[in-house]
Amino acid sequence: DGGITQSPKYLFRKEGQNVTLSCEQNLNHDAMYWYRQDPGQGLRLIYYSQIVNDFQKGDIAEGYSVSREKKESFPLTVTSAQKNPTAFYLCASSIDLGGRASDTQYFGPGTRLTVL
Amino acid sequence: GQNIDQPTEMTATEGAIVQINCTYQTSGFNGLFWYQQHAGEAPTFLSYNVLDGLEEKGRFSSFLSRSKGYSYLLLKELQMKDSASYLCAVRGADYKLSFGAGTTVTVRA
Repeated sequence: DGGITQSPKYLFRKEGQNVTLSCEQNLNHDAMYWYRQDPGQGLRLIYYSQIVNDFQKGDIAEGYSVSREKKESFPLTVTSAQKNPTAFYLCASSIDLGGRASDTQYFGPGTRLTVL
Repeated sequence: GQNIDQPTEMTATEGAIVQINCTYQTSGFNGLFWYQQHAGEAPTFLSYNVLDGLEEKGRFSSFLSRSKGYSYLLLKELQMKDSASYLCAVRGADYKLSFGAGTTVTVRA
């Protein structure tokens, strides 16, 4: 089955530690995205990538880093510089970053990160 | 900047109809999406509108008026499993999505 996987579903870390969240897709999509979801707020874009070895900052990139070495994978690192890292993190992918109906974004199951 | 507004909560009875409104003010417009999200799960795609009018898909329909910056999602014959959060998202001139905060719909027996 084609889809997007994120692991783990729940993650606990101590304050001051970096943590990497994984995102893998086998949909052959070029574009991938990372969002953060907090209660009472809309999804906010952290980083996105349109193609391998290229990525762009979203609206709230400070304290985060990403890499895109393979088309299928787009890991997100939450660094100690991120002031409020506890949140639900969602990865998404689309065929492309464009204006077509086929460029719909599809989401992974999410990782709930809690920093103690 | 992007501004997308939708009601926070709505409650309806099983078998009834509920309409979730979404108004937006964005820099450019390249389509509007509705997603359904059950608690703790991923958002799942429901509908896409880029031209004015109504798109129907089974029990769910979505309407768009670009001149008014307005959309609604209509849920008919409500079922208990429809209890979820419904997210309105607009694709702007840069082709990125901006999301509203979501509307939590509770279906009561």
